[in-house]
Amino acid sequence: DIQMTQSPSSLSASVGDRVTLTCRASQSISKYLNWYQQIPGRAPKLLIYAASSLQSGVPSRFSGSGSGTDFTLTISGLQPEDYSTYFCQQSHSTPWTFGQGTKVEIK
Amino acid sequence: EVQLVESGGGLVQPGGSLRLSCAASGFTFDRYSMNWVRQAPGKGLEWVSYISSSSRTIYYADSVQGRFTISRDNAQNSLFLQMNSLRDEDTAVYFCARVLTSLEPPTRAIDYWGQGTLVTVSS
Repeated sequence: DIQMTQSPSSLSASVGDRVTLTCRASQSISKYLNWYQQIPGRAPKLLIYAASSLQSGVPSRFSGSGSGTDFTLTISGLQPEDYSTYFCQQSHSTPWTFGQGTKVEIK
Repeated sequence: EVQLVESGGGLVQPGGSLRLSCAASGFTFDRYSMNWVRQAPGKGLEWVSYISSSSRTIYYADSVQGRFTISRDNAQNSLFLQMNSLRDEDTAVYFCARVLTSLEPPTRAIDYWGQGTLVTVSS
């Protein structure tokens, strides 16, 4: 199975900050990497697919990059509604696997 | 509007069975592959199973292989998960999820999720 490792596990940031989250795959997954946002008690929401494509309706302050094994999600100008947990997920091969999540908290 | 509504969760004893259902609306169900994904209380996300639009291709996580069965009824716009021989570690919220597939860029992702149904396995 492909292991997905996110870092950091949590971070504190202020409104307006630029935040970068990292996801690393245990083997190459090309660009089969997706990012989700989850607010506690809610279903996850797709933000980025294919490593860098912005899902329809998602604010442009979210962006993704990377290929192979190393990927990043950047939030340019953190907003109050962005405080939540972010998961990466690989869909290169089954079983699809998720990272353990990065919790973004208010500083 | 795309809607996925799960039902069938509840409390069950170890070794018991449950059948989850997901009612889909707002899109052409028989054109999409579907997944079940679960989340144990306070934990991360775990992919459980995948079924293609025609039911021709099915995959399971090793943790449920041989105990769970995914199926769908395209005429009824419904997805199912039959869960047998349930264990304590199957306790989780189970999400029904639609698969976004594209050739350019090459994409397999989950673009819509239901709100989930809680399965609790406990004696």
